[in-house]
Amino acid sequence: QVLLVQSGPEVKKPGASVKVSCKASGYSFINYAIQWVRQASGQSLERMGWINADNGDTGYSQKFQGRVTITRDTSASTVYMELSSLRSEDTAVYYCARDQTSYCDGDCSLQYWGQGTLVSVSS
Amino acid sequence: EIVLTQSPGTLSLSPGERATLSCRASQSLSTRYLAWYRQRPGQAPRLLIYGVSSRPTGIPDRFSGSGSGTDFTLIISRLEPEDFAVYYCHHYGTSPQTFGQGTRVEVK
Repeated sequence: QVLLVQSGPEVKKPGASVKVSCKASGYSFINYAIQWVRQASGQSLERMGWINADNGDTGYSQKFQGRVTITRDTSASTVYMELSSLRSEDTAVYYCARDQTSYCDGDCSLQYWGQGTLVSVSS
Repeated sequence: EIVLTQSPGTLSLSPGERATLSCRASQSLSTRYLAWYRQRPGQAPRLLIYGVSSRPTGIPDRFSGSGSGTDFTLIISRLEPEDFAVYYCHHYGTSPQTFGQGTRVEVK
């Protein structure tokens, strides 16, 4: 079955960076884009960006442009999301999620989700 | 940016009852790229409906979606215990993608 397994919780200080991983299994990794979505406590969902797992093309939401970098390692079937210049408002659960349809380049609904990674930013 | 407004904020119902959730877009969605998710406490969202009215494999037929233009609806025909959760609508296909603020379905 399709599984997305994310790395564990992180505690960071303001100004630092965090890198969260998302290991995929159960499907052909390069055929589907992976998106990143975050959710602050008690809040709605916020899309951050996506990566084409085949060619590495990326797209980022304007709000996060310049602060987020999404990469992938095809040999490890793993996608990474790095967020820099952290501030307290970045405290949230970060999810990776797979496009529902292959070759959708992030323009799809999200059928499979990781378990989420809590990133806490505090001095 | 398309803003999605969900109503009501909270819906109080009993198991077995019918739930009707609304999602209104700030401008017409010319494509049918509207999805619904259910999120239970401490869990990741689960895709229930995509393309306004299609169900992924494994989603029970008590979930149905409809709508066009700016007004979209999710109906849960008979609430099961696991359906008491928060529901989000999601506009995709054009950038920026957006999510509604959520509707909480709680036990009456």
